[in-house]
Amino acid sequence: GAVVSQHPSRVICKSGTSVKIECRSLDFQATTMFWYRQFPKKSLMLMATSNEGSKATYEQGVEKDKFLINHASLTLSTLTVTSAHPEDSSFYICSATPSGRKTGELFFGEGSRLTVL
Amino acid sequence: KQEVTQIPAALSVPEGENLVLNCSFTDSAIYNLQWFRQDPGKGLTSLLLIQSSQREQTSGRLNASLDKSSGRSTLYIAASQPGDSATYLCAVYTGTASKLTFGTGTRLQVTL
Repeated sequence: GAVVSQHPSRVICKSGTSVKIECRSLDFQATTMFWYRQFPKKSLMLMATSNEGSKATYEQGVEKDKFLINHASLTLSTLTVTSAHPEDSSFYICSATPSGRKTGELFFGEGSRLTVL
Repeated sequence: KQEVTQIPAALSVPEGENLVLNCSFTDSAIYNLQWFRQDPGKGLTSLLLIQSSQREQTSGRLNASLDKSSGRSTLYIAASQPGDSATYLCAVYTGTASKLTFGTGTRLQVTL
């Protein structure tokens, strides 16, 4: 149990276009999901906390208008990279905690590799 | 601000060796600590979760310890195998901030 799925796993886009990444909890409900960004050979950096039915909470330094987060249901959160540029190229990973699990025990998606040309 | 450091950054050992990965954190007011494994280009797999009240957790060949007061955790891998080759990340959950802070990772290579 506790499976988190991300789609797409890889995406290549042209500079200036927008890209949407989906994060789904397959066998549990998640009121809260988290979006991380990982640069090559670096650790994960929390970008934002996605809250079902309300606005996302962004970490300092993360542009809200660049990285749009929508958490429309208890099993789906989306991250849209708007007007993408090459510096947005990165590995994006989402995570979620099943309701009732120990606080802080997160399960992660497989990640989405974004390449902006 | 919580900072999590892992030593060594990279490690190469021959198959069969026992090894220890280290994780240290600056703010001891944590709720729990997790160890993850990440294969190249992949997401994270949770290995062990230690609550702040616990001293250690074991799963198969893995044993993780936690010394909250000194801000340290270790991950012990017994009888290492080539399949253990991956990056290992520790992460601490700070309840007041409700966020998981990741360490810098240790890249492990187990050779035949």
